[in-house]
Amino acid sequence: DQQVKQNSPSLSVQEGRISILNCDYTNSMFDYFLWYKKYPAEGPTFLISISSIKDKNEDGRFTVFLNKSAKHLSLHIVPSQPGDSAVYFCAARLPNNTDKLIFGTGTRLQVFP
Amino acid sequence: GAGVSQSPSNKVTEKGKDVELRCDPISGHTALYWYRQSLGQGLEFLIYFQGNSAPDKSGLPSDRFSAERTGGSVSTLTIQRTQQEDSAVYLCASGSIGSFYEQYFGPGTRLTVT
Repeated sequence: DQQVKQNSPSLSVQEGRISILNCDYTNSMFDYFLWYKKYPAEGPTFLISISSIKDKNEDGRFTVFLNKSAKHLSLHIVPSQPGDSAVYFCAARLPNNTDKLIFGTGTRLQVFP
Repeated sequence: GAGVSQSPSNKVTEKGKDVELRCDPISGHTALYWYRQSLGQGLEFLIYFQGNSAPDKSGLPSDRFSAERTGGSVSTLTIQRTQQEDSAVYLCASGSIGSFYEQYFGPGTRLTVT
């Protein structure tokens, strides 16, 4: 069973506009949520995170929103740039001693000029 | 500084053969993780090392999969008697204990079982 779901496999956005990537989860025990960005032939790189006790975290052009009641989080990128084109993975952590992350299937974002 | 490296970058093997995948973590990182990404799937956790011990092997899909880590550094993931469903990109990540979001990933090994 998929505990972290990214239902949109792809998203296409014009440069300068807002990109919104969505993620849903089923396990209410997750205590941190993270977004990773992956370029082809490279490993994922950490982008931004949010604690389950918060509802918003902002870092430059990137903002993550968490709606615990809906078990939903989203990543907003504004303004979108062509260099943002990549696969974005949502991930969640269970509070145990291994720090393993549960990843979604990813959303491929394409930002066109 | 050097990041996480993995070798080989690509591996094609025949069904039934054994393969070894190598991960060189960032120097000083005590935590090491193996994940895999099959086609159309997210990253699937396989195993976690803290130093040389593996307190969490819960993600290994079968007893054909094993991993070891020596000297608190290099790790090897071994798949015995490979099957076609083992075809995936195998990713290694390293980090510091307690800094779970700072998992630095390697570029992965693409394994194709024919």
